[in-house]
Amino acid sequence: QSVLTQPPSVSAAPGQKVTISCSGSSSNLGNNYVSWYQQLPGTAPKLLIYDNNKRPSGIPDRFSGSKSGTSATLGITGLQTGDEADYYCGTWDNSLSAYVFGTGTKVTVL
Amino acid sequence: QVQLQESGPGLVKPSETLSLTCTVSGGSISSYYWSWIRQPPGKGLEWIGYIYYSGSTSYNPSLKSRVTISVDTSKNQFSLKLRSVTAADTAVFYCARDRRVVGGGYYFDYWGQGALVTVSS
Repeated sequence: QSVLTQPPSVSAAPGQKVTISCSGSSSNLGNNYVSWYQQLPGTAPKLLIYDNNKRPSGIPDRFSGSKSGTSATLGITGLQTGDEADYYCGTWDNSLSAYVFGTGTKVTVL
Repeated sequence: QVQLQESGPGLVKPSETLSLTCTVSGGSISSYYWSWIRQPPGKGLEWIGYIYYSGSTSYNPSLKSRVTISVDTSKNQFSLKLRSVTAADTAVFYCARDRRVVGGGYYFDYWGQGALVTVSS
């Protein structure tokens, strides 16, 4: 049972924007940076966002991240069919002494 | 470009030990942390544990009693052993480079393609 809660699914038409929330607590998001991962069907997860809002080289600026208190948000603008994937947030949990992932959100492009 | 590749048996019998190795290429295993992460079919991601190139480790408390992660810097490899497996341990196992930056966050910037391990008699 994950300590980071995400909506099971979000959807929007091509070209539109979606946001994915990640809710935690003071022992994880409240005191640590968040990262986000994209998992395309049948593939390994890929780092999208680290340190709350930084993008690795090669990740388009259509992807953005933010964090406030014990919650974080991933935004995807200009939605494309290639963005259909599962998205996970993650951070360190100081109480569990473990890295924890969110429950995962499936993005569907209508 | 750093690449990681998992290897090991795809089928393990209940109560036995699951063993996987991750080979790192395109870069040195030194000076970094390395993690194992698993994903049961159709479910989410679970961090198993990490090892620093020097050999220090940290494990997920939920698995700590059954897990050992080791490193072989001469071969640029690190390995996972999970003891006393049951069907609930069936999963895709990923190895990943674990970035732990002083004053920054923890994240996984390079991942292997994953290895499916099925626990069944």
